[in-house]
Amino acid sequence: AQKITQTQPGMFVQEKEAVTLDCTYDTSDPSYGLFWYKQPSSGEMIFLIYQGSYDQQNATEGRYSLNFQKARKSANLVISASQLGDSAMYFCAMRGGISTSGTYKYIFGTGTRLKVLA
Amino acid sequence: DTEVTQTPKHLVMGMTNKKSLKCEQHMGHRAMYWYKQKAKKPPELMFVYSYEKLSINESVPSRFSPECPNSSLLNLHLHALQPEDSALYLCASSHRGVATEAFFGQGTRLTVV
Repeated sequence: AQKITQTQPGMFVQEKEAVTLDCTYDTSDPSYGLFWYKQPSSGEMIFLIYQGSYDQQNATEGRYSLNFQKARKSANLVISASQLGDSAMYFCAMRGGISTSGTYKYIFGTGTRLKVLA
Repeated sequence: DTEVTQTPKHLVMGMTNKKSLKCEQHMGHRAMYWYKQKAKKPPELMFVYSYEKLSINESVPSRFSPECPNSSLLNLHLHALQPEDSALYLCASSHRGVATEAFFGQGTRLTVV
């Protein structure tokens, strides 16, 4: 069975500082994808960054980077130079497993609510 | 165009009503999803369609009936819902491989009275 664990229900960070949001995962599949999404209060899930299980380098997208440690099964999100607009719920997600039709699920962790302080 | 459009954005319905949620994407994605999200909880998968065929049903009650009329459209028909079904309903689409992100719509906030 696959599982995503986010142990930080809430985090505070000062504007312009960096923050790390933790994510650990569990899967027996050799091939999987790890994703981070941002959900503002409006409700839309916004894709931030992706890391593949076979990727050798950590993913980066602008101010977002993913600290991927495969042996430890962790995929932490690092946000650099935090902005007030970064205040939102952040979900770590994984895609893997396989159904009889070859369709993959996305499963989500419980999320971390980030508050950026001015 | 990397947009998933959901309508309506808000819906209030009685327990005896029949209503439908609609979702549309034009990214050529052949996998489409319905998720249900309660307040302060992660999204929970309800259904997955692959090539317009129902691929995964996560034991969802029959009062929720999905439909995929073509590769761009996904509907969720609602009938005889309960107040506990009030939630944010999110539609998403993606390519079918593992190494691909899902794009989500803004969701429909459903209130059952």
